[in-house]
Amino acid sequence: DVVMTQSPLSLPVTLGQPASISCRSSQSLVHSDGNTYLNWIQQRPGQSPRHLIYKVSNRDSGVPDRFSGSGSGTDFTLKISRVEAEDVGVYYCMQGTHWPKTFGQGTKVEI
Amino acid sequence: EVRLVESGGGSVQPGGSLRLSCAASGFTFTSYWMVWVRQAPGKGLVLVSDLSTDGRTTRYADSVKGRFTISRDNAKNTLYLQMDSLRVEDTAVYYCVRDRDRNYDFWGQGTLVTVSS
Repeated sequence: DVVMTQSPLSLPVTLGQPASISCRSSQSLVHSDGNTYLNWIQQRPGQSPRHLIYKVSNRDSGVPDRFSGSGSGTDFTLKISRVEAEDVGVYYCMQGTHWPKTFGQGTKVEI
Repeated sequence: EVRLVESGGGSVQPGGSLRLSCAASGFTFTSYWMVWVRQAPGKGLVLVSDLSTDGRTTRYADSVKGRFTISRDNAKNTLYLQMDSLRVEDTAVYYCVRDRDRNYDFWGQGTLVTVSS
């Protein structure tokens, strides 16, 4: 199975300041169709997960543009340009290239 | 509006069985692979099983293979997870998830399964 490793696991942030989460995969996430299926998922406290970003850098409908994704191959990053209070929660990267699809351990973002 | 509503969770003793259901609405159910993902208390997300649009292709995590069965009724827009020979380590919130082009774009609210003696 592809191992997804996130860092840091805990991220204290300041409102209005940027934040960044790293995600590394144990093998390349480039699919034979040429796409890289790396996704980011947010889970606010007490809520079910919500999909934020797909194929490395594409935001889902309704996701604020302060969220951005980047990276390639095995190294990926989620950035929040200016943290807002509603961004508190756990963020997971997830790879959809190889089966079984696997998740990172999660990064807890807290004020 | 896409909606995924799980039901069927509860408490059961080790070795027991439960059947989870997920009622889907707001999209063309037959066009999407569907997935069950679970989250043990205080832990991360883990894929349990997924299922093709026509229900003919099923895949399972090694931890549940031979004990869980995923299925769907496309006429009822419903996804199922039959869980047999339950173990304490199966205790988790189980989420029904839509798979859109290899990303899990919509999640249900989850249903809690507790396996305890």
